[in-house]
Amino acid sequence: DTGVSQNPRHKITKRGQNVTFRCDPISEHNRLYWYRQTLGQGPEFLTYFQNEAQLEKSRLLSDRFSAERPKGSFSTLEIQRTEQGDSAMYLCASSPKGQRNTEAFFGQGTRLTVV
Amino acid sequence: DQQVKQNSPSLSVQEGRISILNCDYTNSMFDYFLWYKKYPAEGPTFLISISSIKDKNEDGRFTVFLNKSAKHLSLHIVPSQPGDSAVYFCAASEGADDKIIFGKGTRLHILP
Repeated sequence: DTGVSQNPRHKITKRGQNVTFRCDPISEHNRLYWYRQTLGQGPEFLTYFQNEAQLEKSRLLSDRFSAERPKGSFSTLEIQRTEQGDSAMYLCASSPKGQRNTEAFFGQGTRLTVV
Repeated sequence: DQQVKQNSPSLSVQEGRISILNCDYTNSMFDYFLWYKKYPAEGPTFLISISSIKDKNEDGRFTVFLNKSAKHLSLHIVPSQPGDSAVYFCAASEGADDKIIFGKGTRLHILP
């Protein structure tokens, strides 16, 4: 297993365009998280899934953001009508099945720049 | 409202000496605490954790101390090495929720 994989690594888009990011978690991990990190800040929680069920969404996740995890495997995060304030590093993480109180493993992130 | 606070944005330590990174939290329901390390252009990597039933956890050069009454934890790195230069994030989770909340991070510089 190569760990959590995120694609693309970098994305530059014009304001108003839609973008979609993909995350492939570590196999057998039933928890999948999305975080956003901006300069000088720690990762900010956006949403997370238990298998295919989306359990919680942060108030940071406006209605322009949507996340899915069909079949409980990979996940996508879509941002519609991007704004310059959406420029950030988007991080995905996963954690093992059935183990509470365990660390989440992060991917390398997708850096989004909205111009 | 920052539930996990790292009040020192940066810290410089001489190579070979001890590095101490501090973290405070406000949510008394947190029962699991983690430290992550992050290099530029990479995702955070897990370093060490501690459950609220313990007050100390050690792994090689890294030791985490938890003071529940003060809602404070610290990460000790000894001896500090050049490869330890990175941003360190303190994080915490609450019960079965397992959502991990991060602090803003402390940038550690190890000086030669």
